Amino acid sequence: ILNVEQSPQSLHVQEGDSTNFTCSFPSSNFYALHWYRWETAKSPEALFVMTLNGDEKKKGRISATLNTKEGYSYLYIKGSQPEDSATYLCAFMKTSYDKVIFGPGTSLSVIP
Amino acid sequence: DAGITQSPRHKVTETGTPVTLRCHQTENHRYMYWYRQDPGHGLRLIHYSYGVKDTDKGEVSDGYSVSRSKTEDFLLTLESATSSQTSVYFCAISEFTSRGEQYFGPGTRLTVT
Repeated sequence: ILNVEQSPQSLHVQEGDSTNFTCSFPSSNFYALHWYRWETAKSPEALFVMTLNGDEKKKGRISATLNTKEGYSYLYIKGSQPEDSATYLCAFMKTSYDKVIFGPGTSLSVIP
Repeated sequence: DAGITQSPRHKVTETGTPVTLRCHQTENHRYMYWYRQDPGHGLRLIHYSYGVKDTDKGEVSDGYSVSRSKTEDFLLTLESATSSQTSVYFCAISEFTSRGEQYFGPGTRLTVT
């Protein structure tokens, strides 16, 4: 069974702090990695789709990097705001024929 | 927002009864997915479809079947519901290859008593 891990499991930060979390996946094969943002009582929304080693993506204050050789991706949030409070999921695909496997998520709470 | 609806949004049913959940999309996307969300497990793929009448199993497919007779509809059936199938079920779609981002429906909360 493919193991996609995320750390930390949860995070509490003060408004204005910058934060980052990690998604780890098997480095033997790589096809794609997705990041999703999931607010309570809503549906997951895609943030980034990353496909190449060294990819860096940015959307506003949120950015992500990808290292396929060592099997990890980082998600960074600069100057966290209360509206950033959500669970952040990564999802990994080993090959084009494989299913997307989601990690367990990192729950972020931003305290005003 | 991507045009994805799920029905019903909430359902309570008894153990042993059949249940069908419907996912409907207006985006004409090729790929459709069914996930379940459980505490401690995140999202787990049940079944997915890569075209009309083309489906495949995910990581937790036991006890579930699916059908896709039209591009816009993907049905998930629990042939004989069990309490372990109490969960929130999400449908998702994606446009091109499975490298594409997925758009999720609003979810269906199913309780099996």
